[in-house]
Amino acid sequence: GESVGLHLPTLSVQEGDNSIINCAYSNSASDYFIWYKQESGKGPQFIIDIRSNMDKRQGQRVTVLLNKTVKHLSLQIAATQPGDSAVYFCAEKNAGNMLTFGGGTRLMVKP
Amino acid sequence: DTAVSQTPKYLVTQMGNDKSIKCEQNLGHDTMYWYKQDSKKFLKIMFSYNNKELIINETVPNRFSPKSPDKAHLNLHINSLELGDSAVYFCASSHRGAQPQHFGDGTRLSIL
Repeated sequence: GESVGLHLPTLSVQEGDNSIINCAYSNSASDYFIWYKQESGKGPQFIIDIRSNMDKRQGQRVTVLLNKTVKHLSLQIAATQPGDSAVYFCAEKNAGNMLTFGGGTRLMVKP
Repeated sequence: DTAVSQTPKYLVTQMGNDKSIKCEQNLGHDTMYWYKQDSKKFLKIMFSYNNKELIINETVPNRFSPKSPDKAHLNLHINSLELGDSAVYFCASSHRGAQPQHFGDGTRLSIL
């Protein structure tokens, strides 16, 4: 079946550096993608989303890039802070407006 | 003033029991969801429900059933609990099935 794939690495970055979290998806018909941040003991928190008619979208310190040619999605966090430490999930909208989540990436920020 | 709230936060029970998890949202949303997150952090949709339609992930055992007393609540009932049901269950909601979904802080279910 088609799914959003995300390796489960742990990304360790120095405070102040930029972070890039990657996600590969396989459903070429997906038209909406979203990134969530999950802190320990909390539920996923919306960060940023993007529709398939765009290739880039910026928020506050975060940028999502979508490359439909290679079916790749990335989340860039500028000037990473200790409060950014969490597990990050990408997800795609499937039939029925439900989300299919990738496996998550743990971001660790070193002070 | 939590937008999506779940109770209880922790639930420890024995195999074979029947239990319920409650979810309430005060966002005025009309669509609610239940997700299961396993020990490897993988999040999987279980149900999507609004006042017109229930969409069930075909992999969810029929021991699981959502119950909605009103638009602001979607409770999860689980019958004959099994060891494999141990996980964190998240409730979420959205407006008219649109995105993004807003999540609660989860209920950690442990089966002894």
